[in-house]
Amino acid sequence: DGGITQSPKYLFRKEGQNVTLSCEQNLNHDAMYWYRQDPGQGLRLIYYSQIVNDFQKGDIAEGYSVSREKKESFPLTVTSAQKNPTAFYLCASSIGLGLNEQFFGPGTRLTVL
Amino acid sequence: DAKTTQPTSMDCAEGRAANLPCNHSTISGNEYVYWYRQIHSQGPQYIIHGLKNNETNEMASLIITEDRKSSTLILPHATLRDTAVYYCIVRVANGNTGKLIFGQGTTLQVKP
Repeated sequence: DGGITQSPKYLFRKEGQNVTLSCEQNLNHDAMYWYRQDPGQGLRLIYYSQIVNDFQKGDIAEGYSVSREKKESFPLTVTSAQKNPTAFYLCASSIGLGLNEQFFGPGTRLTVL
Repeated sequence: DAKTTQPTSMDCAEGRAANLPCNHSTISGNEYVYWYRQIHSQGPQYIIHGLKNNETNEMASLIITEDRKSSTLILPHATLRDTAVYYCIVRVANGNTGKLIFGQGTTLQVKP
């Protein structure tokens, strides 16, 4: 089945540690996105990538980094510079940027202790 | 992107139609209306979108007023699995990163 996978579902880390969240898609989509969601809030864009080896900062990129070495993969690293990293992280993909429908993964809930 | 206003919460009886309103009074001519929903602790799911004509798919219908300042998402026969937060979003057609700007949304509770 085609879709987006994120792993793990739940992740716990100690304060000051970097952590990398996985996002893989087999939809052959060019564009991929990372969003952050806090309790009771909407989604906020962290980073997005239009194509392999290219990515751009979103609205809240500080303290995060990404890579796009392969079309199907778009990992997100939450660094120790992120002041409040505990959140629900969602990865999405679409055929391209713009108005195309975005397909979301199941999300990773990160808790920093 | 234009801002949207939705009621915080709504209830609907199982099997009845759920009508979810959305105000987007500042919408521009090149902005589309999108609806997504998010079931608790899952990723959002696309439902439907439209520009100015009414739209229908296997999940729902979208009714957009003639002046395009408001719209209504209709789930014709709500089931318990339709309990979720529903987000109304407006998106501009050109020069767009593609990001989705989610507001607070409407929490729809479908009751038996």
